[in-house]
Amino acid sequence: QTVVTQEPSFSVSPGGTVTLTCGLNSGSVSSSYYPSWYQQTPGQAPRTLIHTTSTRSSGVPDRFSGSILGNKAALTITGAQADDESDYYCVLYMGSGIWLFGGGTKLTVL
Amino acid sequence: EVQLVESGGGLVQPGGSLRLSCAASGLTFTNTWMHWVRQAPGKGLVWVSHINNDGSFTTYADSVKGRFTISRDNAKNTVHLQMNSLGAEDTAVYYCASDGGHSFVLWGQGTLVTVSS
Repeated sequence: QTVVTQEPSFSVSPGGTVTLTCGLNSGSVSSSYYPSWYQQTPGQAPRTLIHTTSTRSSGVPDRFSGSILGNKAALTITGAQADDESDYYCVLYMGSGIWLFGGGTKLTVL
Repeated sequence: EVQLVESGGGLVQPGGSLRLSCAASGLTFTNTWMHWVRQAPGKGLVWVSHINNDGSFTTYADSVKGRFTISRDNAKNTVHLQMNSLGAEDTAVYYCASDGGHSFVLWGQGTLVTVSS
C-alpha cells in the first residue's frame, strides 16, 4: 500500500526558515506526481499554497516556496511568522485519477 | 466572486444515505474537474472522489468505492456526492474542491456529516 509521508510535527523560531517534506514509503517523488501543498488552521477550510511542485497559488506570499529536494517534495517557509502556525498537508497525484494526501505536519512557531 | 458552497450534511443513522451538493460560482465550471475531500474529527485530510469536466470519468478512494457516487450538473454548476451504506467511519467534514493541474485550487467551507444512532 502506497503511503505519502510527512513529518508529524516541526517547530521553527519566528523569522527562521523551515523545510517540510513529502515523500513516498516506496519510491521517489518527482514533478510527475504534481505535488501540492495546503495550509489549514483549526476549524477552517484548507488553503492552497503551492501546486504543480512550485507554483504559488494566488495571494500566497513569496516566503512560501515549493521544490523537489532529493527524492521528496518540499515546502520551504522563509521568515516564519506567528500566523504560519498551522497544519500543512501535501498531496500527490498517483495517476489514473487517484490522489493521496500525506498525514500532515503540525508546524509550531515559537 | 469565485466560490464553492457545500450543502446537504447532517446526522444520519448507520446504514443510511445522504446526498451532498456543491454549488460553484465565478469559475468556468464546464471546464473544471471537481473533487470531494473529507476530514474526520481530529484527523487529516483524505481525498474521496473526483469527476472530470463532463462527468464521463469518475474515480474513488478505496474506502468509499461501491458506496459513494459522484456526479455533476453542468447546467446548474453543481457537483453531488451520493453516499450510501454510511458507517461511523464516514463521519467527517466534507469539502468540495476545484482542480487545477492535478491539484486542489479552490475549496468550499465544508459540510459536516455525522453517522450515529
